[in-house]
Amino acid sequence: EVQLLESGGGLVQPGGSLRLSCAASGFAFSSYAMSWVRQAPGKGLEWVSTISGSGGSTNNADPVKGRFTTSRDNSKKTLYLQMTSLRDEDAATYYCAKMTRPYYDGSAYYCDYWGQGTLVTVSS
Amino acid sequence: QLVLTQSPSASAPLGASVKLTCTLSSGHSSYAIAWHQQQPEKGPRYLMKINSDGSHTKGDGIPDRFSGSSSGAERYLTISSLQSGDEADYYCQTWGPDIRVFGGGTKLTVL
Repeated sequence: EVQLLESGGGLVQPGGSLRLSCAASGFAFSSYAMSWVRQAPGKGLEWVSTISGSGGSTNNADPVKGRFTTSRDNSKKTLYLQMTSLRDEDAATYYCAKMTRPYYDGSAYYCDYWGQGTLVTVSS
Repeated sequence: QLVLTQSPSASAPLGASVKLTCTLSSGHSSYAIAWHQQQPEKGPRYLMKINSDGSHTKGDGIPDRFSGSSSGAERYLTISSLQSGDEADYYCQTWGPDIRVFGGGTKLTVL
């Protein structure tokens, strides 16, 4: 059974930093890309970042470019999201999601398993 | 620009059927999409992928009451024999080389 468990959320001041983790189990972690998707309170889903299965390639959404870094440790089956220079608008529940392929190759490339999310609150 | 458009809300009586629509932006009518369900206070759950020809691939354990279809730039999710547990937000998703896109979501109310 695929399981994704996020952690690391909490309260942080504007301009601060936070690192989220996502522990994966039940599948060959290094064989699949992983994504972070966030959801502000009462709002819809917003894609944040995707990292390839090897960790050699990442894509970030424009609102987080230069501030957020996604990485992974395949030996620990763990995905990370390092967030810096946090803004009010970054407040959201952050979900990690397994992708259907190790990287984009023109074939179907979407989230097929999701975690339960971790809440990030940005406030002074 | 790759954009997905969904109606904000939909409703149907218990036991009835409902068809939700996700519309691809101009120039992207050949794209496949994925549907996700998010029940209140829960994380999303993958339902199915729908290709431009209407063929679809369901996620693990998704009941036969859920089906997908396609017409032009529109991708559909049909839920039959509606149950109270189907009351949820439904999101479509698509993808490109450097981007993943979600629609704004449709809130389904079961009357």
